[in-house]
Amino acid sequence: DAKTTQPPSMDCAEGRAANLPCNHSTISGNEYVYWYRQIHSQGPQYIIHGLKNNETNEMASLIITEDRKSSTLILPHATLRDTAVYYCIVRRLNTGFQKLVFGTGTRLLVSP
Amino acid sequence: NAGVTQTPKFQVLKTGQSMTLQCAQDMNHEYMSWYRQDPGMGLRLIHYSVGAGITDQGEVPNGYNVSRSTTEDFPLRLLSAAPSQTSVYFCASSYTPQGYNSPLHFGNGTRLTVT
Repeated sequence: DAKTTQPPSMDCAEGRAANLPCNHSTISGNEYVYWYRQIHSQGPQYIIHGLKNNETNEMASLIITEDRKSSTLILPHATLRDTAVYYCIVRRLNTGFQKLVFGTGTRLLVSP
Repeated sequence: NAGVTQTPKFQVLKTGQSMTLQCAQDMNHEYMSWYRQDPGMGLRLIHYSVGAGITDQGEVPNGYNVSRSTTEDFPLRLLSAAPSQTSVYFCASSYTPQGYNSPLHFGNGTRLTVT
């Protein structure tokens, strides 16, 4: 699976959009981009995933560049409860989770 | 659904002691797995199972045993605890191991300290 690169930390003001970047320049055509987050002391929580089209759900939006070498997770109106570590992961279609690699993620701090 | 339930939440062991970390899910998920998380590091896969009776090793299996006698339960055994096994342990499950649109569901972890 392709490696990902994320900034170690980011800050965001409450109510503003949080845009979390992820670089996956070696991604291949059959690899999906997944985002998880981990709120302090809890297990990771699935947020969203996509292949090449932009995706949106009740939690966030995922924007993937046309060349698929990078993506951005957008939390449209960040709240204090969004303070967490966010993990960007790439995973091949039809592979087991044994290949899923969680890096060190981006620590997002949402402030009042 | 309760989701993925891990017990205990906290545990302190002495070196050489044995114990079992429990994991249960009520979502009829085929795939279950154990991760450990150490400070400053991501999650590392210990063992996983793609169904009852089937288990396999992950990235860091040494010192741990698993079994999968039922779909719901996937216990992790430490036969002789060592200080290097001090960590936070997460159990995770998924509907199918091969489905690209099947995210992992995690428990809230067991914080283990070995002295």
